[in-house]
Amino acid sequence: GQNIDQPTEMTATEGAIVQINCTYQTSGFNGLFWYQQHAGEAPTFLSYNVLDGLEEKGRFSSFLSRSKGYSYLLLKELQMKDSASYLCAVMDSNYQLIWGAGTKLIIKP
Amino acid sequence: IAGITQAPTSQILAAGRRMTLRCTQDMRHNAMYWYRQDLGLGLRLIHYSNTAGTTGKGEVPDGYSVSRANTDDFPLTLASAVPSQTSVYFCASSDSTGNSPLHFGNGTRLTVT
Repeated sequence: GQNIDQPTEMTATEGAIVQINCTYQTSGFNGLFWYQQHAGEAPTFLSYNVLDGLEEKGRFSSFLSRSKGYSYLLLKELQMKDSASYLCAVMDSNYQLIWGAGTKLIIKP
Repeated sequence: IAGITQAPTSQILAAGRRMTLRCTQDMRHNAMYWYRQDLGLGLRLIHYSNTAGTTGKGEVPDGYSVSRANTDDFPLTLASAVPSQTSVYFCASSDSTGNSPLHFGNGTRLTVT
């Protein structure tokens, strides 16, 4: 079966750096997405990786290793507004999105 | 402002009743999707439409139906609601079925009693 694993919850301190991991086992691979979802709101797109390596977008970076079935989202200079759930999703060979259950990130002052 | 509009925002529904969740987008996206989101589970695809006039079943289609008469609208109907359909429902769209990111509506919180 297809599976996406990410930690259920993480806690970090304002101003620090946090890395949220995502491992996947899917039927084929056509890219990996990260979304941010604040409580009670809709998910919003953060990043897309289809080739190995690091993609940087301001304070957020996303890394992909296809051979290891692994990605991480790196958040730097954490702010209180970064408290949210972070969803990892993989597009399989049929271009269907497989979603992880999300990682709830709690930022403490 | 371009985007996706869902209605209603929330609804309490008696079991056995029929309900249609509305979704409209003004981005001229070809592909549209309905997901449900339950605590501890990832987003689960209910139905999708790659283009106007076509629809397909997702991971959890039972008890739901959709139609796509035009590009903008993609309503989701629960023919006879059951308590297990209590969930948050998100409509989403993308401009292709490839690697384009999804744009989500604000969701409908549905409680079936």
